[in-house]
Amino acid sequence: DGGITQSPKYLFRKEGQNVTLSCEQNLNHDAMYWYRQDPGQGLRLIYYSQIVNDFQKGDIAEGYSVSREKKESFPLTVTSAQKNPTAFYLCASSVATGPVGYTFGSGTRLTVV
Amino acid sequence: AQSVSQHNHHVILSEAASLELGCNYSYGGTVNLFWYVQYPGQHLQLLLKYFSGDPLVKGIKGFEAEFIKSKFSFNLRKPSVQWSDTAEYFCAVNARTGGFKTIFGAGTRLFVKA
Repeated sequence: DGGITQSPKYLFRKEGQNVTLSCEQNLNHDAMYWYRQDPGQGLRLIYYSQIVNDFQKGDIAEGYSVSREKKESFPLTVTSAQKNPTAFYLCASSVATGPVGYTFGSGTRLTVV
Repeated sequence: AQSVSQHNHHVILSEAASLELGCNYSYGGTVNLFWYVQYPGQHLQLLLKYFSGDPLVKGIKGFEAEFIKSKFSFNLRKPSVQWSDTAEYFCAVNARTGGFKTIFGAGTRLFVKA
């Protein structure tokens, strides 16, 4: 079945360390997105990519970095510069950018200890 | 800047009660509107969407939503809820111009008592 795979499901990180969250899709979607979900705040856009080798910052990009070397993959790195990294991270994809619905992965819960 | 407001953070209903979840957005231009649902332990999934045409949109599992342009609202309704509707519901808005960005509301947690 086509879908989005996020790994790992749970991740613990020590303060000061960078960590990379994986997102892979086999839907042949062009666009991919990273959102952060915090209680009571909904989903906030971190980065998005409309095409391979291109990506743009979302509303809360500071302290994060991404790459899009392959159509299927859009990994997110949470750097030590991110001041409050403990959160639930969701990856999504869509056929194209614009007025289309998204397909979401199951998420990664990151805890900084 | 665009924003999406969901008025109720938590809603508790008994089975067979009617449901209406409020959603208002702030954007003066043409918009596309969505409701997503996240059942316990499952992925976020699209419940219904509005792009154009009939402002009353029907989605999966008996849900519907009505777009009222003059009120900047896109409320979600269901005439009779079931225990299996227990989930978190997110309203989302995408502006037709100015880029692709989809803005999500804070979500409403619905608990249906059996």
